[in-house]
Amino acid sequence: AQSVTQLGSHVSVSEGALVLLRCNYSSSVPPYLFWYVQYPNQGLQLLLKYTTGATLVKGINGFEAEFKKSETSFHLTKPSAHMSDAAEYFCAVIQNNNDMRFGAGTRLTVKP
Amino acid sequence: GAVVSQHPSWVICKSGTSVKIECRSLDFQATTMFWYRQFPKQSLMLMATSNEGSKATYEQGVEKDKFLINHASLTLSTLTVTSAHPEDSSFYICSACQGIEAFFGQGTRLTVV
Repeated sequence: AQSVTQLGSHVSVSEGALVLLRCNYSSSVPPYLFWYVQYPNQGLQLLLKYTTGATLVKGINGFEAEFKKSETSFHLTKPSAHMSDAAEYFCAVIQNNNDMRFGAGTRLTVKP
Repeated sequence: GAVVSQHPSWVICKSGTSVKIECRSLDFQATTMFWYRQFPKQSLMLMATSNEGSKATYEQGVEKDKFLINHASLTLSTLTVTSAHPEDSSFYICSACQGIEAFFGQGTRLTVV
């Protein structure tokens, strides 16, 4: 079975600083990988996804992630944090039958 | 992108009553929908996979008699929390897939008093 591990339940950065949210997966076959953002009392919004092709994936709001097979990682980055980026971020992987499994989530706080 | 609508957004009910939550795919057909539960400051936990025209598949530890799922059409799945108790209070989210991409409803905040 595939699983997702997000290192760090809480990340705090200053406005304008680099954002790095870590995600590692375990899979015996190349997975489909996703990053979602969740604002309070709302559903999930897709930031970006990796299926095949280019390993560096660009998403919305200036986020990007790089699929590194050798490290089984799919870390999310943004060069410069904005106050509006404060939210909960989830890494996810697709299993069989489009069954999506989520990491534990990382809460991003942005300090002024 | 595709739109999944979930209703209601929030509901408060008395202990012992039942609550129905609807999940609709507005502009695409979904033979499979998923129901998740999210506790405060925690991740989404898959409860069950809803299959159009057949029985839902429940994850281990989820009571199928308590969380009734009906997927009567290609655009609608419902989750009914029967005989709700305060410990059922949670945030419930549905999703439907179009291709390999999942689209999520806005969630339902259930509070049982």
